[in-house]
Amino acid sequence: GAGVSQTPSNKVTEKGKYVELRCDPISGHTALYWYRQSLGQGPEFLIYFQGTGAADDSGLPNDRFFAVRPEGSVSTLKIQRTERGDSAVYLCASSRKGGGATDTQYFGPGTRLTVL
Amino acid sequence: GNSVTQMEGPVTLSEEAFLTINCTYTATGYPSLFWYVQYPGEGLQLLLKATKADDKGSNKGFEATYRKETTSFHLEKGSVQVSDSAVYFCALSGPMDSNYQLIWGAGTKLIIKP
Repeated sequence: GAGVSQTPSNKVTEKGKYVELRCDPISGHTALYWYRQSLGQGPEFLIYFQGTGAADDSGLPNDRFFAVRPEGSVSTLKIQRTERGDSAVYLCASSRKGGGATDTQYFGPGTRLTVL
Repeated sequence: GNSVTQMEGPVTLSEEAFLTINCTYTATGYPSLFWYVQYPGEGLQLLLKATKADDKGSNKGFEATYRKETTSFHLEKGSVQVSDSAVYFCALSGPMDSNYQLIWGAGTKLIIKP
């Protein structure tokens, strides 16, 4: 079966614009995660969904960031009023059931966001 | 809070050399430990993991042992190949009430020369 897919692979936008990043998880995976990876760093946790609900959004940096997963499958990460500091690779991962360290997370290829 | 420190790269080796990439951690409780690999142009892939002290994770000739006494999870391979060139990330699970979070090191770039 297909792995986690993310679109677009690259997004260039201007400061102040709104962007949406999409994640298609592995079919049947109930848990979905968003991470952000800045150049030369490891990923940082943003948000975790269990089904349709955000079980933990403590990693979202501020209220310009928002994510949804309305049908418990595809998720969209939304960033309002983008800033140059938002430039990073945004990673999505999914896992079979979530809620445990032993539940392997499978990662998508990421969306590289550049804010000019 | 939980954190991971791994050796800085790049690490450059010749084919068939022995590899060690150091990883140490700080954590409360008993986290699970992971090594992920990112090949050029690809997404992060789980390489191996260990869920309790003294466990050894292994895959594709790579090994790492969960050492609670030294809070380490060093990655080793006896004979590297050019195809092992990639960025390697050490990670651990978050605190018990948020153990779905992965907390990551900065990554170590490995370059294998023929």
